[in-house]
Amino acid sequence: GIQVEQSPPDLILQEGANSTLRCNFSDSVNNLQWFHQNPWGQLINLFYIPSGTKQNGRLSATTVATERYSLLYISSSQTTDSGVYFCAVKSWVHDMRFGAGTRLTVKP
Amino acid sequence: KAGVTQTPRYLIKTRGQQVTLSCSPISGHRSVSWYQQTPGQGLQFLFEYFSETQRNKGNFPGRFSGRQFSNSRSEMNVSTLELGDSALYLCASSFGEVIYEQYFGPGTRLTVT
Repeated sequence: GIQVEQSPPDLILQEGANSTLRCNFSDSVNNLQWFHQNPWGQLINLFYIPSGTKQNGRLSATTVATERYSLLYISSSQTTDSGVYFCAVKSWVHDMRFGAGTRLTVKP
Repeated sequence: KAGVTQTPRYLIKTRGQQVTLSCSPISGHRSVSWYQQTPGQGLQFLFEYFSETQRNKGNFPGRFSGRQFSNSRSEMNVSTLELGDSALYLCASSFGEVIYEQYFGPGTRLTVT
């Protein structure tokens, strides 16, 4: 199956700082999503982005499908951004695979 | 539009028992997928259903089963519970036959004692 690697595993920031989270995947995909898991376990959709670039407020994402990676940018981080960020990918022949996540802590 | 709902939200069971979890997808969504999340294994795919048919199954023992009804609601069942089945079980729905953007429910947290 597809291997998904996220980096860094842990990230600690001061409020107001910017960050970049990375997701590498081992095979071609037709589906890539970024999620934020809140402390209660709910996975919140951030981006559906199998290719290209999207922006939503302070968050933006870029996927370079030909090089098999995706980046999630968080600007001017806030304490409410804390949590675990997951990348998930799927191909035509494989089921959805999640990375191990990046645990982000934003300190006031 | 209401989101994905899962019931119950919390459950405590004893080893050897069986459990049924329920998922109602977003109205109009016909694909439902189930995932298990544990601290050790992370998020793992269990099943995928479309139009009452299981389209795909993850690498889990036969004790894990599921089904989808004609109204797209889905249930999963775990028989002969083991301690290692303690996990957060997440359901996701998607619009069509091809899985594009998935939307997740709040999950059912199962504790097996």
